[in-house]
Amino acid sequence: AQTVTQSQPEMSVQEAETVTLSCTYDTSENNYYLFWYKQPPSRQMILVIRQEAYKQQNATENRFSVNFQKAAKSFSLKISDSQLGDTAMYFCASGSGNTGKLIFGQGTTLQVKP
Amino acid sequence: DADVTQTPRNRITKTGKRIMLECSQTKGHDRMYWYRQDPGLGLRLIYYSFDVKDINKGEISDGYSVSRQAQAKFSLSLESAIPNQTALYFCATSGNRPLTDTQYFGPGTRLTVL
Repeated sequence: AQTVTQSQPEMSVQEAETVTLSCTYDTSENNYYLFWYKQPPSRQMILVIRQEAYKQQNATENRFSVNFQKAAKSFSLKISDSQLGDTAMYFCASGSGNTGKLIFGQGTTLQVKP
Repeated sequence: DADVTQTPRNRITKTGKRIMLECSQTKGHDRMYWYRQDPGLGLRLIYYSFDVKDINKGEISDGYSVSRQAQAKFSLSLESAIPNQTALYFCATSGNRPLTDTQYFGPGTRLTVL
């Protein structure tokens, strides 16, 4: 069975600073991929970044980057130059390369302070 | 217009009532999913469908049923609602290539069962 664990229920960061959100996962699949989704107070689920497990290079999207450690089954999200609009709940998810089903972590609430 | 729409956006109902949540998409995707979100648990998969004739149970399908009326429509029903089905419900869609196709989420339906 696939599991995803986010051990930090809440975090805070000062505006313009850098913050890292942690995620560990477990899967029996060989073909899988990993996501970070953002859920602002509007409750819309917004894709932040994705990483294909077969790629060694860490994914980057503007101020967002990941540290993917496949052997350790770790997938952390780094947010640089934090902005007030980054305040949201962040979900880590593991996706099956066969069915497309997503397994989500419990979520981390991030507060960016002015 | 939004690519994935859900109706209603909010609903309050009573224990024992039958309720249907509807999802429509204009992305032309074959795959559709229903998730529920509970505080501290993240999102969990209820049902998923690869096409009109292919419907599968997810992690937590008990108490729910679905109908795929067309490629663009996927409905979730609670035959006899109970209070622990109070949650935020999301519909999502994706293409047929999980390793490259992203899941797109609807805006969610907040359901309260009294």
